[in-house]
Amino acid sequence: GQQVMQIPQYQHVQEGEDFTTYCNSSTTLSNIQWYKQRPGGHPVFLIQLVKSGEVKKQKRLTFQFGEAKKNSSLHITATQTTDVGTYFCAGLEDNFNKFYFGSGTKLNVKP
Amino acid sequence: EPEVTQTPSHQVTQMGQEVILRCVPISNHLYFYWYRQILGQKVEFLVSFYNNEISEKSEIFDDQFSVERPDGSNFTLKIRSTKLEDSAMYFCASSDTRGLGGYTFGSGTRLTVV
Repeated sequence: GQQVMQIPQYQHVQEGEDFTTYCNSSTTLSNIQWYKQRPGGHPVFLIQLVKSGEVKKQKRLTFQFGEAKKNSSLHITATQTTDVGTYFCAGLEDNFNKFYFGSGTKLNVKP
Repeated sequence: EPEVTQTPSHQVTQMGQEVILRCVPISNHLYFYWYRQILGQKVEFLVSFYNNEISEKSEIFDDQFSVERPDGSNFTLKIRSTKLEDSAMYFCASSDTRGLGGYTFGSGTRLTVV
């Protein structure tokens, strides 16, 4: 079955530093999504990528989908304390009815 | 902004008891899901539901679990005989397009089995 792995598991950064989390799938994905879960909260949809090599930006966040559509990354420039939370990727294979969530990267930002 | 509503926010139950977790998905959404998250771990898929039937379920979703859409608004998850390892946060989610474009998650029900 499909496996979606994320690294790193934890990341501690000083406010202002950059942060990147990587998502790797064992199979080719038709769609990948990113979610953010604040401590004690629920996952909130951030963005969706569907095309090979696609890059999307949301303010300080940059999302990439790999050329082979098996990996993705989320990069945050100049982190702020409001970026604290766990970032999950979720991948969808063709002909499947559910997204598989990665294990998540927990980001802590020190002021 | 439309929300997915879950009740209760916290449920404590004794091992072996039955629990029903309730969800009100977004009204024009057609696809409904239950996910669970054991503390500090990843979000695990349980079941997807469309057109009044289960469209997919995971290995976790065994005979002790069932889902129902008893009326036009509610979507419930029943756990028949709870076990200690069922303790987790249970999230309901809905989507209008099989998840394409993102799921909207509810704020979850924290289930504690003692």
